[in-house]
Amino acid sequence: DAGVIQSPRHEVTEMGQEVTLRCKPISGHDYLFWYRQTMMRGLELLIYFNNNVPIDDSGMPEDRFSAKMPNASFSTLKIQPSEPRDSAVYFCASSPPPGRDEQYFGPGTRLTVT
Amino acid sequence: QKEVEQNSGPLSVPEGAIASLNCTYSDRGSQSFFWYRQYSGKSPELIMFIYSNGDKEDGRFTAQLNKASQYVSLLIRDSQPSDSATYLCAVRVSGAGSYQLTFGKGTKLSVIP
Repeated sequence: DAGVIQSPRHEVTEMGQEVTLRCKPISGHDYLFWYRQTMMRGLELLIYFNNNVPIDDSGMPEDRFSAKMPNASFSTLKIQPSEPRDSAVYFCASSPPPGRDEQYFGPGTRLTVT
Repeated sequence: QKEVEQNSGPLSVPEGAIASLNCTYSDRGSQSFFWYRQYSGKSPELIMFIYSNGDKEDGRFTAQLNKASQYVSLLIRDSQPSDSATYLCAVRVSGAGSYQLTFGKGTKLSVIP
């Protein structure tokens, strides 16, 4: 079975531009998580969904960030407008139904905002 | 704020030795504990999870949990150069219906041939 799929793998954009990151979770997993990883702050949870519904978005840094999950096999994280401090690696992870807590990570998107 | 603390390292061990990685957490109600391995430029990969006090062994890896001391560790026996990576400790926060993980910043392990 394919793992978590993310696209693009690398994104370089200029400050002020809109950025959209995409994620396809593992089939059958009903939890989806978006993380951001930087050297300074480590791995931070931004938002997570259960059965396509956002459960906790308290980690979203500000209104410039938004996430959607229109169906069980697709989610997006959008940054508009982007700023240099948004430069990081963004990971998507998915998890099976309750009773199994383990999360499986996608390869990540390395975002550079100049 | 619920925190997970790890020594950032780097931790250097010779090939064949035992590597010991440690993690403490602040939320006494935490119930599930995970160790992820992250190679440079790659995504975190789950290698162990533990729910109960005591030891759990899987091949060369042993996870140890002491809830009273709020302490979880990972032992890697017969360390290999391929074990060189950053090891992330993660804890599932307490609370009904909560499936968030809080991650430590990781310990960088270097196994010297």
